[in-house]
Amino acid sequence: AQSVAQPEDQVNVAEGNPLTVKCTYSVSGNPYLFWYVQYPNRGLQFLLKYITGDNLVKGSYGFEAEFNKSQTSFHLKKPSALVSDSALYFCAVKSNNAGNMLTFGGGTRLMVKP
Amino acid sequence: SAVISQKPSRDICQRGTSLTIQCQVDSQVTMMFWYRQQPGQSLTLIATANQGSEATYESGFVIDKFPISRPNLTFSTLTVSNMSPEDSSIYLCSVGPSSSYEQYFGPGTRLTVT
Repeated sequence: AQSVAQPEDQVNVAEGNPLTVKCTYSVSGNPYLFWYVQYPNRGLQFLLKYITGDNLVKGSYGFEAEFNKSQTSFHLKKPSALVSDSALYFCAVKSNNAGNMLTFGGGTRLMVKP
Repeated sequence: SAVISQKPSRDICQRGTSLTIQCQVDSQVTMMFWYRQQPGQSLTLIATANQGSEATYESGFVIDKFPISRPNLTFSTLTVSNMSPEDSSIYLCSVGPSSSYEQYFGPGTRLTVT
């Protein structure tokens, strides 16, 4: 079985400060990891993914994430938050040997205050 | 990335009725997925729909309640049958292009059952 944990329901950060949204996972086999963002009344937008290779991956809108195999984590980061980054963020995982089943975390609401 | 549209974008339905949600993709894709996002919750996979075969349902979801059609490589429908207030959710379709690992999501259908 595969699972994802996002330990924080909400993260508050001031505009211009760095932000981190945490994600840990559990899978059998090698993980494929993803971050999605959901704005109000919108579907999910793909931000970035880790499949293999460099542990630091860069994605859309200046976001990046670091894969840490020993800590089974894939935290989302951005050096300088914008008010427009305020949204709901989902981490997701699937195993390289378990078909296309994508498992989502519970989501973290990011609030960036001016 | 694929462009995905869903109809309707939202609906308010009476208990006991059925609603069919349409998902259209701008390119041919092998795999299409249907998810449910209950209020304030994460996403849960309902079923995987491949063209030319029966949909594969996840635990807790049955074909009688959520019949799915996949007549071609760009279109799918999900019907929510004999609705109850507990079916009030956002229903999202997604696609998993064979050339990439991530899934892309439609804008969702917000269903309210009264």
